[in-house]
Amino acid sequence: GAVVSQHPSWVICKSGTSVKIECRSLDFQATTMFWYRQFPKQSLMLMATSNEGSKATYEQGVEKDKFLINHASLTLSTLTVTSAHPEDSSFYICSATGLAYSEQETQYFGPGTRLLVL
Amino acid sequence: AQSVTQLDSQVPVFEEAPVELRCNYSSSVSVYLFWYVQYPNQGLQLLLKYLSGSTLVKGINGFEAEFNKSQTSFHLRKPSVHISDTAEYFCAVIPTGANNLFFGTGTRLTVIP
Repeated sequence: GAVVSQHPSWVICKSGTSVKIECRSLDFQATTMFWYRQFPKQSLMLMATSNEGSKATYEQGVEKDKFLINHASLTLSTLTVTSAHPEDSSFYICSATGLAYSEQETQYFGPGTRLLVL
Repeated sequence: AQSVTQLDSQVPVFEEAPVELRCNYSSSVSVYLFWYVQYPNQGLQLLLKYLSGSTLVKGINGFEAEFNKSQTSFHLRKPSVHISDTAEYFCAVIPTGANNLFFGTGTRLTVIP
């Protein structure tokens, strides 16, 4: 159990285009989903926290108009990188927690999406 | 405020040798503690976690960790490593009452044949 998927796993796009990344919890209802960004050889940095049906909470320094997060259902959250630029190239990872599990504190991670903006 | 420190950025070790990856944390409140492993080009997998109870926690792939409250440490150990253990290992905490994970900077474990 506790499987989280991400789609796509890889995306290459031109500068100025928008890219949507999906994060799905496959076998549980995710009340909260998290989006992280990881630069090469660095740790994960939390970008935002989203709860189903409400607006995402962004970490300091993360542009909410650039990184649009939607958590419309208990199994799906999307991250849209708008007008992507080369500096947005990174590894984006989502995670999810759900009340279906007794240890609500456990986050289950997706496999990540590697974004390359040319 | 809380922080997680992984002092060793890289740890090379020979196959079948024991290994310890160090993790220290600081927090003004109690925390839950986690170790995650990241294989190349993959997301994170939960190795083990400490929420309460016994301070010695056993996880997957033969790993274990011990919570030491007085030293604010949660070191990860394995008595005999395999080539397949080569990966990046992240220590993380969640302060009680919060959902946010705070990660250390990671330790790259390289197992040498």
